[in-house]
Amino acid sequence: AQKVTQAQTEISVVEKEDVTLDCVYETRDTTYYLFWYKQPPSGELVFLIRRNSFDEQNEISGRYSWNFQKSTSSFNFTITASQVVDSAVYFCALSGYGQNFVFGPGTRLSVLP
Amino acid sequence: DAGVIQSPRHEVTEMGQEVTLRCKPISGHNSLFWYRQTMMRGLELLIYFNNNVPIDDSGMPEDRFSAKMPNASFSTLKIQPSEPRDSAVYFCASNQGLNTEAFFGQGTRLTVV
Repeated sequence: AQKVTQAQTEISVVEKEDVTLDCVYETRDTTYYLFWYKQPPSGELVFLIRRNSFDEQNEISGRYSWNFQKSTSSFNFTITASQVVDSAVYFCALSGYGQNFVFGPGTRLSVLP
Repeated sequence: DAGVIQSPRHEVTEMGQEVTLRCKPISGHNSLFWYRQTMMRGLELLIYFNNNVPIDDSGMPEDRFSAKMPNASFSTLKIQPSEPRDSAVYFCASNQGLNTEAFFGQGTRLTVV
């Protein structure tokens, strides 16, 4: 069975602070894919990144960066110099051989001005 | 591309009535997913299709729920009879299969009174 855990239910930071959102996953598949999605207050789900299990290189996209560590089954997401527009619920998701998408419970990030 | 299109955006119905939610996936995508989102249970995968065939419906809560995908460009999720506990936001998503990123529709907010 596949499972995604996001232990942080809610995080509040002040604008310009860095913040890391944790994601821990469980799977028996040797090949799998990890994702992050953003759900702003407007409600839509926005794709941010996809990573396969063979690529442990960290990725940076502007103020966003992702740290994938297979040894700890973690795929953490860091926002550098947070902004109010980053306020949203962030979901980590996992897809394996079954090609279904299993989402974590989400972390609600509030960035205060 | 218009993205994943769901209709209606909002639905209010009385307990016991039949509800049908509709989804048009992105053209060329061969997998389609139905999710339900509630505060208590987060994002739950209800069912997913690959090439119009249901692959995993283990997330469908009970027999009152049914889903069909008669062709590559249309899917429905039906609840009959509806109950107040079915109130949630229902999302449809599609992808190109092979664990690629899924793109979500705007969701249907269902309220059963």
